[in-house]
Amino acid sequence: QKEVEQNSGPLSVPEGAIASLNCTYSDRGSQSFFWYRQYSGKSPELIMFIYSNGDKEDGRFTAQLNKASQYVSLLIRDSQPSDSATYLCAVNVDNDMRFGAGTRLTVKP
Amino acid sequence: GEEVAQTPKHLVRGEGQKAKLYCAPIKGHSYVFWYQQVLKNEFKFLISFQNENVFDETGMPKERFSAKCLPNSPCSLEIQATKLEDSAVYFCASSQWPGLASTGELFFGEGSRLTVL
Repeated sequence: QKEVEQNSGPLSVPEGAIASLNCTYSDRGSQSFFWYRQYSGKSPELIMFIYSNGDKEDGRFTAQLNKASQYVSLLIRDSQPSDSATYLCAVNVDNDMRFGAGTRLTVKP
Repeated sequence: GEEVAQTPKHLVRGEGQKAKLYCAPIKGHSYVFWYQQVLKNEFKFLISFQNENVFDETGMPKERFSAKCLPNSPCSLEIQATKLEDSAVYFCASSQWPGLASTGELFFGEGSRLTVL
């Protein structure tokens, strides 16, 4: 079982819609959770992090964490074509960062 | 420096040749991570360092891969006898990690693209 699993996508949504990205992790000792965005040919950049169960909102982005289900998600409201990228879920276990394979999101105008 | 600097940006090697990549972490960051990304697919963990000490090397194919982070020198990732499947972008990232008080954010370099022919 992979440590961090994501829907491989590609995920395509129309402009203005909500994009929902999902991630599950295997290690119950995981302490913190991150969403990185990677544009094609570029390095990943952090967009959200979450430590506690529940929702965390930052502008159009909401991260959701459910430790009991070992599940973390990212919602992007009012999706824009500029949101088209690969979204990487990352999990910190004892200061080791493990990434999922990423979900490619395309927002169509 | 204020950013993670990786060199070279591109490296081409014939199968069986050696490849060496370098990474200068952000000044003051004590953790360094190496990841391999093949054709925009899985972001595979290779190895991490805490200062000059190996923190976790469970992702390293040890028979051909080696890495070092020595004081006052860039970190390095070396591949002996490269194979075609080693063609990938190798990302280095650094972090300062004082426990949960930090965001734990990784700062990535631009990556080094290795092409093995």
